[in-house]
Amino acid sequence: AQSVTQPDIHITVSEGASLELRCNYSYGATPYLFWYVQSPGQGLQLLLKYFSGDTLVQGIKGFEAEFKRSQSSFNLRKPSVHWSDAAEYFCAVGAPGYSSASKIIFGSGTRLSIRP
Amino acid sequence: DAGVTQSPTHLIKTRGQHVTLRCSPISGHKSVSWYQQVLGQGPQFIFQYYEKEERGRGNFPDRFSARQFPNYSSELNVNALLLGDSALYLCASSPDYKAGGYQPQHFGDGTRLSIL
Repeated sequence: AQSVTQPDIHITVSEGASLELRCNYSYGATPYLFWYVQSPGQGLQLLLKYFSGDTLVQGIKGFEAEFKRSQSSFNLRKPSVHWSDAAEYFCAVGAPGYSSASKIIFGSGTRLSIRP
Repeated sequence: DAGVTQSPTHLIKTRGQHVTLRCSPISGHKSVSWYQQVLGQGPQFIFQYYEKEERGRGNFPDRFSARQFPNYSSELNVNALLLGDSALYLCASSPDYKAGGYQPQHFGDGTRLSIL
């Protein structure tokens, strides 16, 4: 069965510092992989997705993520965070071959706080 | 263009009552999915509808039901409310539904349901 683990519940970084949010997944083959961001009181916004090909994926707002098959990981990175990046970040995994939303499993999220 | 709109934004109910949540998808989108997001957790899939037919159902009791209308808008109904139903209910729309292919989901800002 698919599962997603985000080991960090809450991370605080200083503005301008680099960021890495961890995500590990469990799936028998290469899954679809996603990172979403959720600001307080709002819905989810897709930051980036990985289906196949280049393992380094560029997303919106200066974010990138790297798929590492050997580690079953899909960590999210940003070289320099801004105060506006403070939000909840969700990693999600989907099953290739399925369009249904039911095949997308979300992690429990990592809350990012920015220190001025 | 308007995004996914959900109503109401907030709702307070008591145990045993019934609730109806509404969702209007992005214009031109034909598929609607519903998610439940309990505080501190990632979204959990409830239903997906396409062309007024249920295309997927998550692990939720029969107290949860939904339907989609000819204009592609959707309602989520929950009967006999329990304290544990307190959550943010998110609606997401997709352009289409195709088996074997990815369809991007666009999320609304959700309805915050509180059960007293």
